[in-house]
Amino acid sequence: NAGVTQTPKFQVLKTGQSMTLQCAQDMNHEYMSWYRQDPGMGLRLIHYSVGAGITDQGEVPNGYNVSRSTTEDFPLRLLSAAPSQTSVYFCASNPLNTGELFFGEGSRLTVL
Amino acid sequence: DAKTTQPNSMESNEEEPVHLPCNHSTISGTDYIHWYRQLPSQGPEYVIHGLTSNVNNRMASLAIAEDRKSSTLILHRATLRDAAVYYCIPVHGSGNTGKLIFGQGTTLQVKP
Repeated sequence: NAGVTQTPKFQVLKTGQSMTLQCAQDMNHEYMSWYRQDPGMGLRLIHYSVGAGITDQGEVPNGYNVSRSTTEDFPLRLLSAAPSQTSVYFCASNPLNTGELFFGEGSRLTVL
Repeated sequence: DAKTTQPNSMESNEEEPVHLPCNHSTISGTDYIHWYRQLPSQGPEYVIHGLTSNVNNRMASLAIAEDRKSSTLILHRATLRDAAVYYCIPVHGSGNTGKLIFGQGTTLQVKP
């Protein structure tokens, strides 16, 4: 199993550009989530999903959209990138009714 | 959400036990205590979780105070690979929808 796969690993954007961070998991987990981590900080929840077709906002959802059309994929869209969105983004998945989240390796985004 | 307090940093010598404390005095009766760690330049990884009684797995042990206001993660023999940021996270209920509230965590340094 590949686990949780994130692409791209690195991306540089200009202010105002849009892009999508991809996240895929091959463990058939019901739950998926997106976090961002700023330098020296803990992770903060952006959006999460409890199943295909169901998404909800986390702590810091502004400027991001998500959708969950399949169990496997949970893309994160930046609509109009801002320098404040420079961060490392982590996708995670976990099965129903267990405590263990599985995280991807992260996507480092720089917005100039 | 229950708040947690952890020391910012700790040091240990290699092959010695490490006790990482966490205070969670506002935890509710149905909150589980989860521990994750994040190695440099990686996504967080699950370590252990528990509700009331002490828990052991291949990575660590978790000792939960009788009043549940604090817990201690125990690494029995620290290795250089255990150098990481350790997060103590209360999670409501036995399940986990993927919504974790990360604090600053404890940065563990392991000296050879």
